[in-house]
Amino acid sequence: GQQLNQSPQSMFIQEGEDVSMNCTSSSIFNTWLWYKQDPGEGPVLLIALYKAGELTSNGRLTAQFGITRKDSFLNISASIPSDVGIYFCAGLSGTYKYIFGTGTRLKVLA
Amino acid sequence: EAQVTQNPRYLITVTGKKLTVTCSQNMNHEYMSWYRQDPGLGLRQIYYSMNVEATDKGDVPEGYKVSRKEKRNFPLILESPSPNQTSLYFCASSPDGLREETQYFGPGTRLLVL
Repeated sequence: GQQLNQSPQSMFIQEGEDVSMNCTSSSIFNTWLWYKQDPGEGPVLLIALYKAGELTSNGRLTAQFGITRKDSFLNISASIPSDVGIYFCAGLSGTYKYIFGTGTRLKVLA
Repeated sequence: EAQVTQNPRYLITVTGKKLTVTCSQNMNHEYMSWYRQDPGLGLRQIYYSMNVEATDKGDVPEGYKVSRKEKRNFPLILESPSPNQTSLYFCASSPDGLREETQYFGPGTRLLVL
């Protein structure tokens, strides 16, 4: 089945640093989503993007919908220990089918 | 409290023994979906349902069945489980499946097939 390529797979950063991760696809999507999963829990939606070129923020998080509609980026500014978790991108092509990325595991060192 | 519940949360079974994982939501959502999560592969959609009696295959439907007889329930059925179905399973729901702000995920069911 189709999957999105997400990078990096994992990263260790120092508290206070900015974080960037991205997601690419060979297919076009109408919607890009970013989720965070805490240990032992289900994913929780962070940001949804609906238009190519769109830049959306949610607190310290900023995400962008790529112009080609085949990629998206998530930035976290001034990371804190509670940012630890797995971040997933997901694409929706308008057909009710969600395609998820492989995840970026983030660990923040205090 | 608005939520998606799954049962059981943990299950150990043997190859070939039929099992059902239940999923229920109390938000009157039209859309429900099942995913499996495996290390290095992220979440993959198994089946989804747009409404009662309307279901369709996701990316990895082989070996699974679903039914949607009532709006609130969307059980996942493994008729003859195999070890490659050992995984972490999530159920999710949202108002209509096309606007994503309120897609809620359940707490997950960890399945081990021996």
